[in-house]
Amino acid sequence: QSVLTQPPSVSGAPGQRVTISCTGSSSNIGAGYDVHWYQQLPGTAPKLLIYGNSNRPSGVPDRFSGSKSGTSASLAITGLQAEDEADYYCQSYDSSLSGPGVVFGGGTKLTVL
Amino acid sequence: EVQLVQSGAEVKKPGESLKISCKGSGYSFTSYWIGWVRQMPGKGLEWMGIIYPGDSDTRYSPSFQGQVTISADKSISTAYLQWSSLKASDTAMYYCAISRGGWVFDYWGQGTLVTVSS
Repeated sequence: QSVLTQPPSVSGAPGQRVTISCTGSSSNIGAGYDVHWYQQLPGTAPKLLIYGNSNRPSGVPDRFSGSKSGTSASLAITGLQAEDEADYYCQSYDSSLSGPGVVFGGGTKLTVL
Repeated sequence: EVQLVQSGAEVKKPGESLKISCKGSGYSFTSYWIGWVRQMPGKGLEWMGIIYPGDSDTRYSPSFQGQVTISADKSISTAYLQWSSLKASDTAMYYCAISRGGWVFDYWGQGTLVTVSS
C-alpha cells in the first residue's frame, strides 16, 4: 500500500479534461509538504511534470496543471491528446516518525480512448 | 545540459553482489542530492534513498535500510547503488534522479534493469 493514494486508472476521449487525485495524510500533504507529479511514458524513465504543487518545468504544456488542498492534490489534463497516454505518479515528503522520507503514489494509468 | 547516465543492464544469480552506477554531468555534482528509485516489473515507483555527494550525507527509506548501500564518488561525479547479496525479489528497474531542492526529482537517469535469476 502506497502512502499516497491514487486511482489505478482514468480514461478520456481526445480533447476532454481528466483529473487524477492524490490523497495523503497529516504527515505528508496535510503537513504542508509540496506535491510533485511525474509522467512515465511506456518504456521510458519518469519525467517531472509538475513541481511545488502547481508549477510547470520549462517545456511542459500548459494543458497540465496541478493543485493542492488540505491532505489532497490533483493533476488536471485538458485538451487530452493521444500522446498523453502514460502512467502518472504523485510524490511528496512524509515526516512520519517511523521513517521520514520521499513517498510516491501508486500511480495512475491514463488511457486516451 | 543536465544528464544522468546509468550503467547497463545486469543479469545476476541469487546471492551475488552488485554495484550499479549513475554518472552526472552538466551541473554541480556536489551541490544536489541524488536519489535512487525502484520500479518492479509492472509496478509503481518506490523511493530507496538519497545521498548528498558534497558531504556523503545519506538517508534511506525504512523499506530499504540495511538492504542496499548508497554511495558517491565526487571525484568522478558518480553515485552508486549496491547489494551484497541479491535476491530474486531485487529484479527491477532502478532509476537515479537528482533533487535540486524541495524533495522534487528534476532529472532522471535512463534506468538500469537488474535481473536476478538462478
